[in-house]
Parts: sequence; structure tokens; C-alpha cells
Amino acid sequence: DAGITQSPRYKITETGRQVTLMCHQTWSHSYMFWYRQDLGHGLRLIYYSAAADITDKGEVPDGYVVSRSKTENFPLTLESATRSQTSVYFCASRVGGAGGLTDTQYFGPGTRLTVL
Amino acid sequence: AQKVTQAQTEISVVEKEDVTLDCVYETRDTTYYLFWYKQPPSGELVFLIRRNSFDEQNEISGRYSWNFQKSTSSFNFTITASQVVDSAVYFCALYSGNTGKLIFGQGTTLQVKP
Repeated sequence: DAGITQSPRYKITETGRQVTLMCHQTWSHSYMFWYRQDLGHGLRLIYYSAAADITDKGEVPDGYVVSRSKTENFPLTLESATRSQTSVYFCASRVGGAGGLTDTQYFGPGTRLTVL
Repeated sequence: AQKVTQAQTEISVVEKEDVTLDCVYETRDTTYYLFWYKQPPSGELVFLIRRNSFDEQNEISGRYSWNFQKSTSSFNFTITASQVVDSAVYFCALYSGNTGKLIFGQGTTLQVKP
């Protein structure tokens, strides 16, 4: 039972480069999320997806692009990385539900990204 | 506005002491969920508990217990007889169906010394 996985776990890149962080879940959860975690800011939502081909912005979407062509995958792309995007990135998923109800959100192990 | 406040930034206790982590939330919704997550030094986020707004029963799971009080908008977490392995950052979070978002508190770093 792999659950939710992220790759790579660690990444060092340079300013201006494009970087893609991968997220894969085996539960067929409808909802998937990307967060970044920074000291002093806690966890902030970047983008989320309610289903394949449906995505929406979170609290801090600038500089990021997402796609969701398949239910199980939700890649996050930094089109032109900046130093301010140095962070730990967490992917999460949950079942979802009708009427605003929710199931628990489960998190991947995180990707530590450093932009030089 | 939705907000979660964990006023304790860091707590340090000696092993076997009891410790309570405070969580206060703000929401205008009548239906919402509250969560606690643990982030150990290894970095992953581990789900601990979920509580919906209609269930104010306290819950106990081993050395962990949670006290949910709607009257004070609080969802506090107590660890009894703390152990070194409890050392971690603990996050309280609020989910509201109206926003569809999970709002996290800033986290409380718990250090349990041997």
C-alpha cells in the first residue's frame, strides 16, 4: 500500500530553471493538494484539484503551474524557479464528498527544494 | 474569516510530564472539521485525529486525548506521560466546507527531554 508518494525527495536547482515536483497517490482520491512549508508561515496552500482536469488556486499560486490529466498524479511545476521558492513542498490527497463534507487529508513525505 | 491559532510556539517538558497543546479556531460555519497532525523530525505529516463540529465528545487514544469545546472554540490536545518520541511539531487545522480549504495553525514545537 504505497499511499501517496512524492519525487524527488530532495532537489537543488538554480534560479530561472524549470522544476517539476511529482505527486502520485494510489487511493483514487478525488482531491489533491500542494502546500509549501516555510518557517514562520506554516503550511500554505498553493494549488488544489477536485478531480482530473479540475484545478484551482490556493493561497500562494504565483510562480507555480499544475496539471491533472490523471486522477492519481498531480505534478507541480515551477516555470522559472526563484530563491523565494526554496521550501519544503507537500502533496496531499483526500477522498472528498458531497455537501461540503470531507474526509481526512493525507500527506506525502515532502520534497525539499533549494533554489540557488 | 477562517483562522487557527496555536499560541504556544515552543514547549519543553521532561519525560513523563503531561503536556497540553492549545488550539483556538475561528469560523462562522456551523459545519466544520478540526484536525491534529504531527510532524516528527523526519518531516512527514502524520494525521492524528479528526473531529466534526457536531461531536463534542472528548476522545482518548492511548496517551493522547483531545478536548473539543465549541463554547470557547478550542480543540486542545493533551499528551499524558510524555515520551521522547513525542518530540515533534504539532499542527491544528480547520476544514470548512464553505471554503473547501484546510487552514493550519502555525504549529507548536514540543520538545520532550529525557
